[in-house]
Amino acid sequence: DTAVSQTPKYLVTQMGNDKSIKCEQNLGHDTMYWYKQDSKKFLKIMFSYNNKELIINETVPNRFSPKSPDKAHLNLHINSLELGDSAVYFCASSQELSGGEKLFFGSGTQLSVL
Amino acid sequence: AQSVTQLDSHVSVSEGTPVLLRCNYSSSYSPSLFWYVQHPNKGLQLLLKYTSAATLVKGINGFEAEFKKSETSFHLTKPSAHMSDAAEYFCVVKPAGTASKLTFGTGTRLQVTL
Repeated sequence: DTAVSQTPKYLVTQMGNDKSIKCEQNLGHDTMYWYKQDSKKFLKIMFSYNNKELIINETVPNRFSPKSPDKAHLNLHINSLELGDSAVYFCASSQELSGGEKLFFGSGTQLSVL
Repeated sequence: AQSVTQLDSHVSVSEGTPVLLRCNYSSSYSPSLFWYVQHPNKGLQLLLKYTSAATLVKGINGFEAEFKKSETSFHLTKPSAHMSDAAEYFCVVKPAGTASKLTFGTGTRLQVTL
């Protein structure tokens, strides 16, 4: 069974469209994250939720809106997609918010905005 | 503020020879340090972590890393490379006592040749 699963794996869309990426974890973890990896492999945190509560909200455009219906799910909705949004988006989860916790990553969603 | 520098963007070794991936960090507080590995089209996986216990940390797949405070380094090593080690490796730093905010290095791509 996949621990952290995200869908879709690939997403190709036109500029201006609205799209969502879904993430689910079956590990019973309290904390979930969204990371963005650019074309140079640089990985940067976007959001973190702990028990459905927003904990970390980095400086990202407000076109990006995370939603956590329960602690096992953290979806990412993106409005008015732009070319610069093209990247690989990774969902992750961990058991504790602070400390040397281990992150479990999904396999990524490659978003291409044309 | 914390930062992490991976000194080599690309390292190539022959199978059976030692691996050295270099990482230097800066952090205001005693940090936790991690190495993650990303195989092609996969999410990141934790290799090992340092959280102020033993300075020599052993991880999975024969990798280990040594925390050297005087040099602010956390280099990753393996005595003998295997073809399956070919991947992208990320050094990660997190200062102690803060909400989970990992800072990722830019990655080192390890190539293993026959």
